[in-house]
Amino acid sequence: QVQLQESGPGLVKPSETLSLTCAASTDSFNTYYWTWIRQPPGKALEWIGFVYKTGNANYNPSLQSRVAMSIDTSKNQFSLNLSSATSADTAVYYCARAHTIFGVVIYDHWGQGALVTVSS
Amino acid sequence: DIQMTQSPSSLSASVGDIVTITCRASQSIATYLNWYQHRPGKGPNLLIYGASTLHRGVPSRFSGSGSGTEFTLTISSLQPEDFATYYCQQSYSTPVTFGLGTKVEIK
Repeated sequence: QVQLQESGPGLVKPSETLSLTCAASTDSFNTYYWTWIRQPPGKALEWIGFVYKTGNANYNPSLQSRVAMSIDTSKNQFSLNLSSATSADTAVYYCARAHTIFGVVIYDHWGQGALVTVSS
Repeated sequence: DIQMTQSPSSLSASVGDIVTITCRASQSIATYLNWYQHRPGKGPNLLIYGASTLHRGVPSRFSGSGSGTEFTLTISSLQPEDFATYYCQQSYSTPVTFGLGTKVEIK
């Protein structure tokens, strides 16, 4: 059974770096694109980006200057760093497993989400 | 970015009702459209991908249709466990984008 679990501080001060880690319990970890998605209160889900087993990553252009993702294939874990956090980064952050079926990108397993509040 | 617009934003329905949710894309996305169900405190669950293909394990009362810019999710006979929020998502181009969601509530 696939399980994803986010972990990290629930409170981050403005201008500091928001950091989260996702531990994945899954077969074939290296097969998938490991993704971060967030949902600010009352707003739509927002795709942050993904990281692959090679360490190559693809980020949302709206966040690209502040985002960095990394992966540790030996531990089946991947991480998100979002620098210069502001209150607009307050959201529930989800990690998700992505792959393609007939060219369609799907997110077939998600963590339960981690609420991160940016406040002094 | 491709904008995804869902309607309605919420609806009230009874067990056994037929429920239809619409998702419109700001430009053509062929059939690169997925639907998710989201219950509070959990991550979203994939229901349908490629506009109309049921993900494994999803009950057959869920169905999807559409192509281009207009898509529909239908629940043929609403069950108690179906009261949740539903999101559409396009993967035609990066960045992937989601609709704002449709909350299905008990009447």
